[in-house]
Amino acid sequence: EILLTQSPDFQSVTPKEKVTITCRASQSIDSSLHWYQQKPDQSPKLLIKYASLSISGVPSRFSGSGSGTDFTLTINGLEAEDAAAYYCHQSSSLPQTFGQGTKLEIK
Amino acid sequence: QVQLQESGPGLVKPSQTLSLTCTVSGGSISSGDYYWSWIRQHPGKGLQWIGYIYYSGYTYSGRTYYNPSLESRVTISVDTSKNQLSLRLTSVTAADTALYYCARYQPPGFDYWGQGTLVTVSS
Repeated sequence: EILLTQSPDFQSVTPKEKVTITCRASQSIDSSLHWYQQKPDQSPKLLIKYASLSISGVPSRFSGSGSGTDFTLTINGLEAEDAAAYYCHQSSSLPQTFGQGTKLEIK
Repeated sequence: QVQLQESGPGLVKPSQTLSLTCTVSGGSISSGDYYWSWIRQHPGKGLQWIGYIYYSGYTYSGRTYYNPSLESRVTISVDTSKNQLSLRLTSVTAADTALYYCARYQPPGFDYWGQGTLVTVSS
């Protein structure tokens, strides 16, 4: 099973800040890494697929990068509505796995 | 617009079987383009993929894929006449208390999710 480790677990940030969340895989997964946003009391929402490909309807301030074992989700110009938990997910091999999550709090 | 809605008992006794249903609207579960999934989230925790089923409307058969950590206790199936997905999890314990989601998997990501249903395992 591929383990995904996110950092940080929690971050308190101010609006307009640039936020970076990292996800490290226990073995190479090429670009089979995807990012989700889960707002309080909501289901997860797919933000980025294949490490860096944007999803229709997702604000352009969200971007992703990386390949192999190290990946990054960046939010440029944080907005209050971005308060949520963010999860990475790998589809390289079964069982599909998720990172433990990063909770973003807006100051 | 595809919508998924989970339903089932919110309370299950230890050692019993958890059974949930997911009703899919806005799309056919037998279209063959997707994997219909169950994912759970323990309270305040991350996400765990339980498994999914790929159902082909051409062969009228489904192929299932399960998380090895749950495989001995899990069954995922579809009822195409009702456009529903089902989950059975046997011999439950308190560790199975979680919010259970059904979701559509279109590689590479889970693009549509239900709202989730909370299942508590307690006597």
